[in-house]
Amino acid sequence: GENVEQHPSTLSVQEGDSAVIKCTYSDSASNYFPWYKQELGKRPQLIIDIRSNVGEKKDQRIAVTLNKTAKHFSLHITETQPEDSAVYFCAAKDGNTPLVFGKGTRLSVIA
Amino acid sequence: GAGVSQSPSNKVTEKGKDVELRCDPISGHTALYWYRQRLGQGLEFLIYFQGNSAPDKSGLPSDRFSAERTGESVSTLTIQRTQQEDSAVYLCASSYRGTGELFFGEGSRLTVL
Repeated sequence: GENVEQHPSTLSVQEGDSAVIKCTYSDSASNYFPWYKQELGKRPQLIIDIRSNVGEKKDQRIAVTLNKTAKHFSLHITETQPEDSAVYFCAAKDGNTPLVFGKGTRLSVIA
Repeated sequence: GAGVSQSPSNKVTEKGKDVELRCDPISGHTALYWYRQRLGQGLEFLIYFQGNSAPDKSGLPSDRFSAERTGESVSTLTIQRTQQEDSAVYLCASSYRGTGELFFGEGSRLTVL
């Protein structure tokens, strides 16, 4: 089955700086790569996703890049704000398999 | 309903007892997942239902865990002979078809004493 590795496990940045979280996956058939944000005590919520037919996707301060050859994808958050502090999870799946998550990255934005 | 509903929100049980956790997905969502999240940890896949296909049970940690889903509606996760290591938040999520955004419930927090 799919295996998703995520790095780093914790990340601290100064407010206004950029944050980058990286994930690798094992199943070359995977074609859907979402990112979820989980604030303390809350449920995970989708923030951005990318499918294998594109290499990059942006939504305001958030962008995701995908390298299918290397089987890795990354989340980029620019101009970080204190409300970006949360745990971020990457995930991967193909059409018929379950969505498998990485172990998460705890992002702290220091004001 | 407006979102994924889970019950109970909190459950405290004694070691060795059986527990049932319930999930009501969003109407029309054919895919339903159960995940386990231990304190401060990641989202551990347990089981996946997709339409009328046989469920993917590859994430169930032992034969004490089982789940059922009635058609494309309610699902029940059952843990038999609970152990202290079963203590966690059990999250249910549903999505429209097999790909696309997962909508999570608030979770059921299980504490095994």
